Amino acid sequence: QKEVEQNSGPLSVPEGAIASLNCTYSDRGSQSFFWYRQYSGKSPELIMFIYSNGDKEDGRFTAQLNKASQYVSLLIRDSQPSDSATYLCAGRGTGGFKTIFGAGTRLFVKA
Amino acid sequence: NAGVMQNPRHLVRRRGQEARLRCSPMKGHSHVYWYRQLPEEGLKFMVYLQKENIIDESGMPKERFSAEFPKEGPSILRIQQVVRGDSAAYFCASSQGLAGGDEQFFGPGTRLTVL
Repeated sequence: QKEVEQNSGPLSVPEGAIASLNCTYSDRGSQSFFWYRQYSGKSPELIMFIYSNGDKEDGRFTAQLNKASQYVSLLIRDSQPSDSATYLCAGRGTGGFKTIFGAGTRLFVKA
Repeated sequence: NAGVMQNPRHLVRRRGQEARLRCSPMKGHSHVYWYRQLPEEGLKFMVYLQKENIIDESGMPKERFSAEFPKEGPSILRIQQVVRGDSAAYFCASSQGLAGGDEQFFGPGTRLTVL
């Protein structure tokens, strides 16, 4: 049973639109959640982390966490072609530092 | 460059040989994580280490794989008697080890190819 689930996509949005990426997790005790961006052939790059219910904004990115629904999302406003990548959702479970990654959602931003 | 360093970036081994992958954490970081990524798949946790201690190795295969993080020098992921199924990208990440929002920063990865 997967612990962090993401729609593999691909998700295609036009340039300038809002891209919405979603993630669900099974471990109710998970405390911290992370969004990483990974370009093809490259290593993951941290975009944001969130551990409180609600929204957290950083530039064009907004992370949303709903612990009751076990749901995490990432919104990318004013999407750019350079945002085209795979976005990985990750959660840190109870009892330590082990981090579980979802399989990722591929995002294409069309110019 | 104060980022996470991994070497080699590419490693080719024949079946049955040993592979040694090295990771130097970011300056000020004392926690190291190893992940494996197969093509078109997500990152799979392998092991989490602090200096001289293995904290969580629940993602490590029971045989042929081992990891260490000595007091001095880089963390090493060792794969003995490699098989073709070991071909993957191996990423190392490091963190400060703070509770709560403890961000991990990734190195460039080692691409292992087993012939």
